[in-house]
Amino acid sequence: GQQLNQSPQSMFIQEGEDVSMNCTSSSIFNTWLWYKQDPGEGPVLLIALYKAGELTSNGRLTAQFGITRKDSFLNISASIPSDVGIYFCAGQPGDYGGSQGNLIFGKGTKLSVKP
Amino acid sequence: NAGVTQTPKFRILKIGQSMTLQCAQDMNHNYMYWYRQDPGMGLKLIYYSVGAGITDKGEVPNGYNVSRSTTEDFPLRLELAAPSQTSVYFCASSYPPGLRANVLTFGAGSRLTVL
Repeated sequence: GQQLNQSPQSMFIQEGEDVSMNCTSSSIFNTWLWYKQDPGEGPVLLIALYKAGELTSNGRLTAQFGITRKDSFLNISASIPSDVGIYFCAGQPGDYGGSQGNLIFGKGTKLSVKP
Repeated sequence: NAGVTQTPKFRILKIGQSMTLQCAQDMNHNYMYWYRQDPGMGLKLIYYSVGAGITDKGEVPNGYNVSRSTTEDFPLRLELAAPSQTSVYFCASSYPPGLRANVLTFGAGSRLTVL
């Protein structure tokens, strides 16, 4: 089946540093979503991207839909302790026929911030 | 609004026991989903439903059953619990995909341990 390769798997950063993570696929996607999961909670949507090349910000977060439609990245600027959590990318496959619309999820990037 | 509510939050089962994970949403979403999350493995779709009375298998349906008698509720049943079903289960809901990807709203999760 289709897969998303999300990297890095985990990262430790100093408070105040910028963070970058990405997702890639061998097939095209129509939509990219970025979710964050806090410990003991369900994933919460951060940013949704619907067009190739689209660049969208949400506060200190910026995400882009790759031009090839096979990748997306998420940047976090000036990280703070509450940024800790697992970040998931999710994509809507390009061959979506309209009756299902199931998302494909990456395996997540675990972010830990050194105080 | 409560969003997506899952019960129980935690449960320990013995091998061979049965149980039902409850999920309810109050957003009038047509689509509902069950995912399982294993460490480092992202989210895997178990079953989904596009409306009351309609359910379909996802990527990992074996050992589970679902029903959708109302728009609001989407219970997940484990008939003969096995250690391989130890996981965190997330229920989610969304509007129909339409022109844009179905942005999922997740519950807080149900942590199940089978011993």
